[in-house]
Amino acid sequence: QVQLQESGPGLVKPSETLSLTCTVSGGSISSYYWSWIRQPPGKGLEWIGYIHNSGSTNYNPSLKSRVTISLDTSKNQFSLKLSSVTAADTAMYYCATTYGGSGYGYWGQGTLVTVSS
Amino acid sequence: DIVMTQSPDSLAVSMGERATINCKSSQSVLHSSNNKNYLAWYQQKPGQPPKLLIYWASTRESGVPDRFSGSGSGTDFTLTISSLQAEDVAVYYCQQYYSTPITFGPGTKVDIK
Repeated sequence: QVQLQESGPGLVKPSETLSLTCTVSGGSISSYYWSWIRQPPGKGLEWIGYIHNSGSTNYNPSLKSRVTISLDTSKNQFSLKLSSVTAADTAMYYCATTYGGSGYGYWGQGTLVTVSS
Repeated sequence: DIVMTQSPDSLAVSMGERATINCKSSQSVLHSSNNKNYLAWYQQKPGQPPKLLIYWASTRESGVPDRFSGSGSGTDFTLTISSLQAEDVAVYYCQQYYSTPITFGPGTKVDIK
């Protein structure tokens, strides 16, 4: 059973870079697509982007200029970097994957990131 | 971007009664190459990540109770809970994966009347 776990700072200062890591267990990151999705408090879900095991990426155009998703196959992890953050980036950040299926069948528990000075 | 809308925003249904949630996409999510609708439904309870219920618009994920069903094609879709149980209180989201950016509906909150 594939399991995902997000980790990273819960507080980031405005204008700085948010950095999160998703550790995958029970499955190999060397296959399929690996995604980041966020949810501001009390609001809906926003897809940030994904990385394929080949290294190719696809980002939401609304965030594209600030987002980088990368893969570390040696650690079975993938990461998110979001630069120049503002209060609007305060959200629960989830890592998720379809793991070859259809729809996001596997999610981490999420990590709340607050942007504040 | 494909814009997803849902109706109603919220609904309250008596235990054992039917709950129906509608989802509409701004363009068709039916792929002509395989005749599949790239539409999924999720359930999210407070403090939890979303849980996949339905994919390909009508295929139930393994382990999901059969009181949950999905229907529709093209741009109009429905999630039906045939007999609402207390544990079904949640927010439900539709999502299209036909094209990127992947987009979600705004959610429908389901409560017990």
